[in-house]
Parts: sequence; structure tokens; C-alpha cells
Amino acid sequence: SQQGEEDPQALSIQEGENATMNCSYKTSINNLQWYRQNSGRGLVHLILIRSNEREKHSGRLRVTLDTSKKSSSLLITASRAADTASYFCATASSYNTDKLIFGTGTRLQVFP
Amino acid sequence: NAGVTQTPKFRVLKTGQSMTLLCAQDMNHEYMYWYRQDPGMGLRLIHYSVGEGTTAKGEVPDGYNVSRLKKQNFLLGLESAAPSQTSVYFCASIPSVRGLEQFFGPGTRLTVL
Repeated sequence: SQQGEEDPQALSIQEGENATMNCSYKTSINNLQWYRQNSGRGLVHLILIRSNEREKHSGRLRVTLDTSKKSSSLLITASRAADTASYFCATASSYNTDKLIFGTGTRLQVFP
Repeated sequence: NAGVTQTPKFRVLKTGQSMTLLCAQDMNHEYMYWYRQDPGMGLRLIHYSVGEGTTAKGEVPDGYNVSRLKKQNFLLGLESAAPSQTSVYFCASIPSVRGLEQFFGPGTRLTVL
């Protein structure tokens, strides 16, 4: 399988804490994206980081990319109950940017 | 704009029956995708299209066919449904520039008995 792996599979934290999720992938990439999926809904795009970037911020989200280790992390700061969702990384290969390869996801539960 | 819509939202089939899932987008996007999502597996690409009249196989194409006769619509067909095709199916689309964020539909939950 070409799928990436995400770690941890599940994460439970209290409101106000930070949540960190990790993603590892297998091939050379053009970019890496993170998506959120609320229960029973479609995926929503959060942030995109290109292969020549090492860190990117968007509001309470911080994404890092280490192409030498083929890994990325998503940090959500000061989490809220509304952040409860599954989070997926997806990579666009350097060889074929027509499609994305999705990871297996991290289920985040934020308790009030 | 409605974005990406999927029809139907739910469907139950018996083994051997056929059906077509419809994906429609009103954003004039060139690229469209069909995925299936199974527990613990993330999303896996079934078929995709890079423009009207074109289709290509993804990671798990067996048992499915697709058509893109109109730019705004992407159809996913199951000719003879099997229990292994029980899944949630998502459609997505992107503009003409490659490798950018995908816009997802709400999903179709399909059960094959």
C-alpha cells in the first residue's frame, strides 16, 4: 500500500491543551496537506505545505515538514471541544501531482 | 454555490445489484475524484478524472466503473455489488492546477447485504 501512517491513531486531551499528530509517508512529495473530518461528514482542507517549506502556520495550526525523514507534524494549540474530529495527512507525489495519497488518520477527542 | 454534492446519501443493496452514485460540482473544477473510506483505512482512491471525457484508475478500481460525460458530473457505477464494497464513498474536486486542496462532498454510505 502507498498509504501514509499517522501517529497516534487516537488522542484524548482536555480543552486548552495542545494536540500533536504525526504523519509519515513513503515517496518523494510535491506537497503535503492536512484535512479534518467531523463525524459523518466529508473532509475539509486545513493547510498545505510545499516540499521546499519547513514550517507553516494558520491560526492555531502549525505544520512542520521534514523531507529527509519523510514526516510531518500537525500541532493544534489551545484546543477546543470543537476541534474533536479525525485528522488526515495527504501527500501529492513529485512524480504525479494529479492525485493525493491519504494517511490512516488520527482521531482527536477534546474534553471540555 | 452548492460546492460538491453527492446523490444518494444512503443506499442498501443486495449482492449482485447495480447502482450509480452521482457527484456534481458547480465550481467549474477540472479534476474530480472518487474515494472509499473504510474503518482504519483512511481514504483510498478508486478512479479519478482530469477533465471532461477522461478517466483514470486509482488505487482500488476493481469492481467499479466511472464516466465523466459532463464537466460538472462524475458518476461511479457498481455493476454487480459485493459485500466488500460496503463503505462510505466520497467525491472530491479541484480546479485545473494540480496538487492543490481538494473539495469534498458529504459522502454516500453504501451497504451491500
